[in-house]
Amino acid sequence: GAVVSQHPSRVICKSGTSVKIECRSLDFQATTMFWYRQFPKQSLMLMATSNEGSKATYEQGVEKDKFLINHASLTLSTLTVTSAHPEDSSFYICSAHDSYGYTFGSGTRLTVV
Amino acid sequence: DAKTTQPPSMDCAEGRAANLPCNHSTISGNEYVYWYRQIHSQGPQYIIHGLKNNETNEMASLIITEDRKSSTLILPHATLRDTAVYYCILSRNSNSGYALNFGKGTSLLVTP
Repeated sequence: GAVVSQHPSRVICKSGTSVKIECRSLDFQATTMFWYRQFPKQSLMLMATSNEGSKATYEQGVEKDKFLINHASLTLSTLTVTSAHPEDSSFYICSAHDSYGYTFGSGTRLTVV
Repeated sequence: DAKTTQPPSMDCAEGRAANLPCNHSTISGNEYVYWYRQIHSQGPQYIIHGLKNNETNEMASLIITEDRKSSTLILPHATLRDTAVYYCILSRNSNSGYALNFGKGTSLLVTP
């Protein structure tokens, strides 16, 4: 089946620095990718939708200047958390969509200290 | 997308069938019923989906009522590794590229 690789699986960064998370579709081309955030004991919350070659669409309340999304190719989308703060600590998950459905990455645990 | 209602938690003995219900009384005609599960600290895993007919694959069976207002996910022989949060999600045709919107799901605990 379809595979989505997400890297890194966990990262610790200092407050004020930026962190980039990569999401790759390994065996299919994904015209649309989604980014979610999940806080402890809560469900996944959609942050943004990205389409290859165009600007991402952000959900209400998600700061587009803080969470930069780039979907430059049909197999790669990146999420950059800029000027990270402790409240950005969370589990970030990407999902890629193709004609068969939705496949999720394994997630990235971000801890900001 | 229409909303789904699931019990917050369920228990199941290992080896027995786990039947997870989902209510979706306001489902639209073009909305599919998707089931995903999430094991702790992992990304969601696809289980099964259907439109109106019952579906079965190597993981589970999906039973959708004739009026499509509810469905049941059946894990025929639950194992300890099936302990996870199970999400029932409605979404339009998979070709559309709409995001899956997750509710709170059902936390299934499989016990020895």
